[in-house]
Amino acid sequence: DIHMTQSPSSLSASVGDRVTITCRASQSISNNLNWYQQKPGKAPTLLIYAASSLHSGVPSRFSGSGSGTDFTLTISSLQPEDFASYYCQQSDDSLALTFGGGTKVEIK
Amino acid sequence: QVQLVQSGAEVKKPGSSVKVSCKASGDTFNIYPISWVRQAPGQGLEWMGGIVPIFATPNYAQRFQGRVTITTDESTSTAYMELTSLRYEDTAVYYCARDTVSRSRPRDLGYWGQGTLVTVSS
Repeated sequence: DIHMTQSPSSLSASVGDRVTITCRASQSISNNLNWYQQKPGKAPTLLIYAASSLHSGVPSRFSGSGSGTDFTLTISSLQPEDFASYYCQQSDDSLALTFGGGTKVEIK
Repeated sequence: QVQLVQSGAEVKKPGSSVKVSCKASGDTFNIYPISWVRQAPGQGLEWMGGIVPIFATPNYAQRFQGRVTITTDESTSTAYMELTSLRYEDTAVYYCARDTVSRSRPRDLGYWGQGTLVTVSS
């Protein structure tokens, strides 16, 4: 299976901050990388697919970049509703989808 | 709009089985991949397997092979996930999720059920 490593596992930030989360794949996955947001007690929601495409209805302050093994999720100006956990997920091996360990974004 | 509604919480004894359902509405059922993802308390997301109803051939994550069975009933637009030989560490919220577009294998999970808590306890 393709192993996904996210960093950091948690971070503290203030409203208005620019936040960057990274995800590294154990082998090249082209641009087959998705990002999800999960709030406590809720199901995850898709933010970004194919590394950099914004899912319908997702605010433009979210962006994704990268290809191969290294990927980034950026929140350009953190809003109160963005405090949540974020997960990357590879879809290069669609017989065995795998998620990163998650990044919890907390209020500073 | 697409909705996935899952069955209610379950409490099971070690060694028993659980079957969780996921009823889809709002779109054609049989052409979209459906995956099952679980989340243990305080932990991350773990993909268990997926199926495209029209093909009816599921794929399972290796660590669940032999213990999980994913099926669908096209007549009721419902997907099922059965997990056998339950252990305490199977205590988790189990989610069904559907891809955003019709394709032959799961890739991006754009629609999610509300989750079903399965507690394994003696």
